[in-house]
Amino acid sequence: QSALTQPASVSGSPGQSITISCTGTSSDIGSYNLVSWYQHHPGRAPKLMIYEAIQRPSGVSHRFSGSKSGNTASLTISGLQAEDEADYYCCSYAGSSNPWVFGGGTKLTVL
Amino acid sequence: QVQLVQSGAEVKKPGASVKVSCKAPGYTFSSYDINWVRLATGQGLEWMGWMNPNGDNPGSAQRFQGRVTLTRDTSISTAYMELSSLRSEDTALYYCVLGTVPHAFDIWGQGTMVTVSS
Repeated sequence: QSALTQPASVSGSPGQSITISCTGTSSDIGSYNLVSWYQHHPGRAPKLMIYEAIQRPSGVSHRFSGSKSGNTASLTISGLQAEDEADYYCCSYAGSSNPWVFGGGTKLTVL
Repeated sequence: QVQLVQSGAEVKKPGASVKVSCKAPGYTFSSYDINWVRLATGQGLEWMGWMNPNGDNPGSAQRFQGRVTLTRDTSISTAYMELSSLRSEDTALYYCVLGTVPHAFDIWGQGTMVTVSS
C-alpha cells in the first residue's frame, strides 16, 4: 500500500483538462511544499514534471501545472494531447526518518 | 548535462544479493544527491535510499534498512546500490536518479531490471 493516495485512472478527450489528485497526511504533503510529479511512459525513464508543488522544470510544457491545499496535491494537464497518455506519480517529502514517499500512480488515458 | 548509465539486467535466486552500478561519465557525484528508486510490475514507484554529495551517512527507506547498501567510487564516477536477501517481491526495475533541482528527482538512469526467481 502506497503512502500517498492517487486515483487508479483518469481519462479525457484531446483538448480537455484533467486533474490528478494526490492525498497524503499532515506528516507529508500537509507539512511540506515538497511535492513532485512524474510522468512515466512504459519503457522509458520517468520524467519530472513539477517540483516543490508548483514549480515547472525547464522544458516542461506550460500545459502542466501543480497545486497544493492541505494534505492534497494536484496535477492539472490542460489542452490534453495524445502524447500525455502515461502513468503519473506524485511524491512528497515525509520527514527525516523516511524521507520520500510516492503515490501508487494514476493511468491517464486520452480518449 | 549529466547522464547516468546503469549496469545490465540481472537474474538472481532468492536469498542472494545484487549490486547495481550507475556511471556518470565526467561527474564525480560531488554536487547533487544520488537516489535509488524502483518500479515493480503492477506496483508504483518506490524510493529506496540516497547519498548526499559528501558521500557520508547514506540513508534508506525504513523498509529497506538492513538490506540495502549504497556506496560510490568517485575515481570512476560510479555509484552502487546493493540489495541483499532477495525475494521474489524484489523483482523490479531499479533506477538511479540525480536531484539537480530542489527536492526532486530529475536525471534518471535507463533502469536495471532485476529478476528474482528460483
